[in-house]
Amino acid sequence: EDQVTQSPEALRLQEGESSSLNCSYTVSGLRGLFWYRQDPGKGPEFLFTLYSAGEEKEKERLKATLTKKESFLHITAPKPEDSATYLCAVQGPQGGSEKLVFGKGTKLTVNP
Amino acid sequence: NAGVTQTPKFQVLKTGQSMTLQCAQDMNHEYMSWYRQDPGMGLRLIHYSVGAGITDQGEVPNGYNVSRSTTEDFPLRLLSAAPSQTSVYFCASSYSRSTGELFFGEGSRLTVL
Repeated sequence: EDQVTQSPEALRLQEGESSSLNCSYTVSGLRGLFWYRQDPGKGPEFLFTLYSAGEEKEKERLKATLTKKESFLHITAPKPEDSATYLCAVQGPQGGSEKLVFGKGTKLTVNP
Repeated sequence: NAGVTQTPKFQVLKTGQSMTLQCAQDMNHEYMSWYRQDPGMGLRLIHYSVGAGITDQGEVPNGYNVSRSTTEDFPLRLLSAAPSQTSVYFCASSYSRSTGELFFGEGSRLTVL
């Protein structure tokens, strides 16, 4: 069974204090790994797709990386507006969108 | 484009009542789905559709019905609400079943008393 574990559950940073969020996964034959951002009271918003180990994607202060067992979301010099819950999801080889497995998320708070 | 629109945003029901959560998308997406999000748990798939007239069950389908008569609309029906159905519900769509890049609505918060 495909599994996704995100850590830490919550993370508090000071503005400008860089850090990383972790997404560990167990899936036989990764088809894709997806990162989403969710603001309070809103739906998740797609950020990145990673397909193979060694791949990296960047968007503003965020960089997502992928290994064979985990993905990291690196946040460089975060700002308060980066505060949100970040979700990770994996897609195995057997199914489509309906087979996505989501982690529980990491709640990031960036203090000014 | 409005994207994915869900109504209502908030609803309070009594046990045994029925209701429909509405979802509409204006992106001509083939794939549409309904998730529920509960504290301490990941998003869980309720039902999904790969096109008009085609629906299937997800991980937690009991107590819910769906239909897809048009490409744009994908309503979720609660047949006889139970307190266990208190949750935040999200509708999501994508241009293809094969991708994990989903577009989500803003959610509908349902409380069943």
